[in-house]
Amino acid sequence: GENVEQHPSTLSVQEGDSAVIKCTYSDSASNYFPWYKQELGKGPQLIIDIRSNVGEKKDQRIAVTLNKTAKHFSLHITETQPEDSAVYFCAASFGGANNLFFGTGTRLTVIP
Amino acid sequence: ETGVTQSPTHLIKTRGQQVTLRCSSQSGHNTVSWYQQALGQGPQFIFQYYREEENGRGNFPPRFSGLQFPNYSSELNVNALELDDSALYLCASSLGASGSTDTQYFGPGTRLTVL
Repeated sequence: GENVEQHPSTLSVQEGDSAVIKCTYSDSASNYFPWYKQELGKGPQLIIDIRSNVGEKKDQRIAVTLNKTAKHFSLHITETQPEDSAVYFCAASFGGANNLFFGTGTRLTVIP
Repeated sequence: ETGVTQSPTHLIKTRGQQVTLRCSSQSGHNTVSWYQQALGQGPQFIFQYYREEENGRGNFPPRFSGLQFPNYSSELNVNALELDDSALYLCASSLGASGSTDTQYFGPGTRLTVL
C-alpha cells in the first residue's frame, strides 16, 4: 500500500515568516494530494488539494507544489499568522480506492 | 463547517464491551469513510461505504464493522473492545462515484477511551 512520510514533525516560525512542510509518497499510482489542518479537539479541515495533472496550486497565502517524478509534494504558507498554528497533515490517494493515506503530521507554531 | 456531524463527542468503555459510533454525512454525499486517529498520529483508514455497500477496507480486524443508511447516516461498530482501540474516530463524506478521488470532508470525531 501507499506510504506517506512528512517532515518536519514540529515547526516554529515568527509571525509574518513563511512555513514549508514536505511530504513524500511511495505509490506512483497516487494522483490526489490533499492537505488538512487540524486544530485541537476538531476534525481535519481541508485547506488545499492538488491532482497529479497539475504542478502547483495557490489559494491566497497557501500554495502546494507537486513533483511527480520525485514523488514529493509540499505545502507553503506565506505571511503566517497566529491562527495558522495547528497540526497539518498531508495525504495521498489514488482512484479506485479513494481512501486517504496520511502523513504523521506537522505541528506548526506561529510566534506572535 | 463541513456539514458532517458525529455522535457522541466522547465515550468511555471498558475492555470487551461493544460500541457504536454515528455519523451524519453531507446531503447528497454517497460515500462515507471511517478513520482511526491515535494520539499524535495521522488518521488511518478503516473502511469505506458507497451507497450502503462496503467499498474498501484497511488493515483492521473484522470486529470493526459498519453500516450506511439511505438517509446519509452511518455507523461504525467495534466489538470486543481492546485498550488499543482508544483513539479519535473520524468519519468523512464525499460525493464519491466509485473509483473517484473526490474531496473528503471530515466530521469533528468521537473520542473513544477504553479502560
